[in-house]
Amino acid sequence: QKEVEQDPGPLSVPEGAIVSLNCTYSNSAFQYFMWYRQYSRKGPELLMYTYSSGNKEDGRFTAQVDKSSKYISLFIRDSQPSDSATYLCAMTRGGKLIFGQGTELSVKP
Amino acid sequence: GAVVSQHPSRVICKSGTSVKIECRSLDFQATTMFWYRQFPKQSLMLMATSNEGSKATYEQGVEKDKFLINHASLTLSTLTVTSAHPEDSSFYICSARDLLGLGLADNEQFFGPGTRLTVL
Repeated sequence: QKEVEQDPGPLSVPEGAIVSLNCTYSNSAFQYFMWYRQYSRKGPELLMYTYSSGNKEDGRFTAQVDKSSKYISLFIRDSQPSDSATYLCAMTRGGKLIFGQGTELSVKP
Repeated sequence: GAVVSQHPSRVICKSGTSVKIECRSLDFQATTMFWYRQFPKQSLMLMATSNEGSKATYEQGVEKDKFLINHASLTLSTLTVTSAHPEDSSFYICSARDLLGLGLADNEQFFGPGTRLTVL
């Protein structure tokens, strides 16, 4: 069993839709929970991070962590075609990043 | 700020040759750099962690004699794929952690743009 599970998609939504991306994890030792966005053939860039259960909002993005269920989510409101990318969840353990498989998102105009 | 570059961005080589990939932190000093490998539509898999001036720590299953890592300065780490074979073809990405702990999160890693290696 992988430490971090993420549905690879692909996920296709119309412009303006609310997008929900999710990951589950098995290791209670994870400290930080992050979401990265990766455009094709590029390195990932950090979008959101949190270390406690609850919600964290930044513009159109909301990161949610439920440590009791070992479940994290990223919500994108008013999705735009420019949001089309692969979204990877990641968690830190001992200074290392453990990534999910990534969900490929396509936002259609 | 916090820019990481990689060179080359793409390389094609013949089987049996060695390839060197450079990772540089352009505007900050990085005590630690990480090397990842990513197959198409797959996650980033950590290969090794390198600290400036010391030997790299490799993840389980990664051949240290095949993937040579050198972290000679606070701004440069290199990955050399020795005697490359077609199965080594992949997207290699490095990241760097700022000496001063800058970034959105503690211990945030800043990623390079990646190097696509194709071994014929």
